[in-house]
Amino acid sequence: EAQVTQNPRYLITVTGKKLTVTCSQNMNHEYMSWYRQDPGLGLRQIYYSMNVEVTDKGDVPEGYKVSRKEKRNFPLILESPSPNQTSLYFCASSSLAGGADTQYFGPGTRLTVL
Amino acid sequence: ELKVEQNPLFLSMQEEKNYTIYCNYSTTSDRLYWYRQDPGKSLESLFVLLSNGAVKQEGRLMASLDTKARLSTLHITAAVHDLSATYFCAVDMTSGSRLTFGEGTQLTVNP
Repeated sequence: EAQVTQNPRYLITVTGKKLTVTCSQNMNHEYMSWYRQDPGLGLRQIYYSMNVEVTDKGDVPEGYKVSRKEKRNFPLILESPSPNQTSLYFCASSSLAGGADTQYFGPGTRLTVL
Repeated sequence: ELKVEQNPLFLSMQEEKNYTIYCNYSTTSDRLYWYRQDPGKSLESLFVLLSNGAVKQEGRLMASLDTKARLSTLHITAAVHDLSATYFCAVDMTSGSRLTFGEGTQLTVNP
């Protein structure tokens, strides 16, 4: 089954404790992206990747890091989480760099930073 | 900076009625997407609109794109309760690498 998976689905952590949210897709998509969703703000792009070893900042990259060492995986790293990073995070992937194809979203990771 | 605005943000409607959700954006683009999100769930793709005048229909939903007016509409025909969800439009202005989402329209269809 074609899908985008994220882990963990729920995470409660404390300020400053490094964490990684994994994202994996099995559709051989070149393009992957991370979004955060906050009430009243819709979805905002954090980082995106056009292919292996190619990443770029989205609209709200501060406090986040990403890497794309393999085509299927695109982990999101919070080196020193803060409470304002409490949010619902979605990973997405698409082919054709998302241009003519829709993005497929993972199930989401709900992060709470205390 | 690209801005994407949806209206209304909240829509409560009765079954069997028709209504339209509007999505305005501030910069030239010819790629627009509509997504649906059920409470506590992920986003599901509804429509991909790639050119001026594009119209797509699926069941009771029809989406259109007017790139000159920088406007897309999502029209709901004879609403049913199962359509209750939040609907997002998203605009791509950089040939695939950057999606900017609207705030979402929370639709409630009442029996």
